[in-house]
Amino acid sequence: GQSLEQPSEVTAVEGAIVQINCTYQTSGFYGLSWYQQHDGGAPTFLSYNALDGLEETGRFSSFLSRSDSYGYLLLQELQMKDSASYFCASFYNQGGKLIFGQGTELSVKP
Amino acid sequence: DVKVTQSSRYLVKRTGEKVFLECVQDMDHENMFWYRQDPGLGLRLIYFSYDVKMKEKGDIPEGYSVSREKKERFSLILESASTNQTSMYLCATHLERGGRRGYTFGSGTRLTVV
Repeated sequence: GQSLEQPSEVTAVEGAIVQINCTYQTSGFYGLSWYQQHDGGAPTFLSYNALDGLEETGRFSSFLSRSDSYGYLLLQELQMKDSASYFCASFYNQGGKLIFGQGTELSVKP
Repeated sequence: DVKVTQSSRYLVKRTGEKVFLECVQDMDHENMFWYRQDPGLGLRLIYFSYDVKMKEKGDIPEGYSVSREKKERFSLILESASTNQTSMYLCATHLERGGRRGYTFGSGTRLTVV
């Protein structure tokens, strides 16, 4: 079946840069998304990559390499409020159906 | 912005009860989804719907059914609740925004089956 792999947790300090990696199975792959979820909250959409390369949105950037079946989320100038879980998710077969990774818990320390 | 409303934030039900989880969106989106979220397992797709009266099974449909009688409403039904269905349930609608494709999620229903 389809699956995505990402680290279960990452720790970084305030002001630093952190990269959260995601690898995926290629069968029917259509694009990679990233979501942020704070404790007790709903996931919120951060970014989407359909093509190879880097997409930048403020302090957050997302990258995709189809040839490597790999993407990452880059968070710069980390703030305490960035402590949350981050999920990569992929669309398959243009159906709008998203498959999620298990999530990476990011802890930002002072 | 699209708003996705789930009828209950917290719910406690007894084993064997029939449970209805309601989700309503305020935009004209065809695609709606039900996920459950459990620690260490991420979000897993239960059922989805691309149009009224249309439904498709996701990855873990066993023990669940769905109903979509109107475009804005997508209901998840637990036919006979069991303790292993204790979970956070998330409804989502498919949003395309400026060419970027994202879901909008409801705030979730935390269901406890006792």
